[in-house]
Amino acid sequence: GENVEQHPSTLSVQEGDSAVIKCTYSDSASNYFPWYKQELGKRPQLIIDIRSNVGEKKDQRIAVTLNKTAKHFSLHITETQPEDSAVYFCAAGRRGGTSYGKLTFGQGTILTVHP
Amino acid sequence: SAVISQKPSRDICQRGTSLTIQCQVDSQVTMMFWYRQQPGQSLTLIATANQGSEATYESGFVIDKFPISRPNLTFSTLTVSNMSPEDSSIYLCSVGQLGETQYFGPGTRLLVL
Repeated sequence: GENVEQHPSTLSVQEGDSAVIKCTYSDSASNYFPWYKQELGKRPQLIIDIRSNVGEKKDQRIAVTLNKTAKHFSLHITETQPEDSAVYFCAAGRRGGTSYGKLTFGQGTILTVHP
Repeated sequence: SAVISQKPSRDICQRGTSLTIQCQVDSQVTMMFWYRQQPGQSLTLIATANQGSEATYESGFVIDKFPISRPNLTFSTLTVSNMSPEDSSIYLCSVGQLGETQYFGPGTRLLVL
């Protein structure tokens, strides 16, 4: 089955700095890669996703890049703000076949943005 | 996106008992999943809830321990059976349309004593 590795496990930055979180996946059939943000005591919230036919996607201060050959994808947050502090999860899944819709999650990254 | 609710939001249970968690969506959805999130950990898929047929379980999860129902396209239940302290977790349902993104319910926080 799919295996997703996420690094780093914790990340501490100063407000205004950039933050980068990296994930690798094992199943070359995976073609969908969402990122979720989970604040303390809350549900995971989708912040951005990317499909395998796209190499990069950007939404304001958040961007995701995908390297299918190397089987890794990354989340980039620019101009970080204290409200970006949360746990971030990457995930990998397929949009097709018998595993349709199933997501395998990385271990999570605790991001702390210091004012 | 759909509005997802779960009941109960939290519960404290005695070992050996069972708890049924409900997931309700305000619109019909193709896909419903159940996840477990142990304290301080990531999300692990328990099973895919299939409408009108038996759920599809992931490795390490069995129907006798986690029976699942999905009678229609807006509702599903997960039962945690014969509970032990190791079952203390947050249980989350997620929903999505075919080919679209998954969204999570608010979760059920379970503590087993």
